[in-house]
Amino acid sequence: KNEVEQSPQNLTAQEGEFITINCSYSVGISALHWLQQHPGGGIVSLFMLSSGKKKHGRLIATINIQEKHSSLHITASHPRDSAVYICAAHPGTGNQFYFGTGTSLTVIP
Amino acid sequence: SQTIHQWPATLVQPVGSPLSLECTVEGTSNPNLYWYRQAAGRGLQLLFYSVGIGQISSEVPQNLSASRPQDRQFILSSKKLLLSDSGFYLCAWGLARDTQYFGPGTRLTVL
Repeated sequence: KNEVEQSPQNLTAQEGEFITINCSYSVGISALHWLQQHPGGGIVSLFMLSSGKKKHGRLIATINIQEKHSSLHITASHPRDSAVYICAAHPGTGNQFYFGTGTSLTVIP
Repeated sequence: SQTIHQWPATLVQPVGSPLSLECTVEGTSNPNLYWYRQAAGRGLQLLFYSVGIGQISSEVPQNLSASRPQDRQFILSSKKLLLSDSGFYLCAWGLARDTQYFGPGTRLTVL
């Protein structure tokens, strides 16, 4: 079992829909990251969370430490949001991140 | 501001040939540096990390090696590539242990 599990693995949405991607982790963490990887391959860091909620434009990330769960929400989705979204958790010690396998999002015009 | 560069962007190499991928970081000092591999349809796998010049930790035994000859330079090498070395290689840097910023990546195809 992976330390970080994401769902769904694949997601197709119509433009304008509200999207939720979930991440559950089984280890204690000091920080959780949401990353975006576009088809070209480069990875962009969207959020780093240790508690609560963060918002940037149409993106919202939440984390529930007690439940070991984080969600990434996209409001008013757009085709340019099509990408793979990756959840990554750092246990607070060492140099190893635990990565989810990613959620592939396709937003259809 | 900090930037991270990787080259080449794409590479096609025959089995048994050597490999050298380079990563450099600008705008920061003494960063932690990381090499990851992302095989098709799979998650990110940490290969090496470095906390300083000449200090390399290997996470996965394989035919790859890494070196850090300068503070902001991280090199991934192989003497003889295998077919299984094909993948997308990402370099990352961070100052805090739990923060990482990724480079644009190198797509390696071994034929």
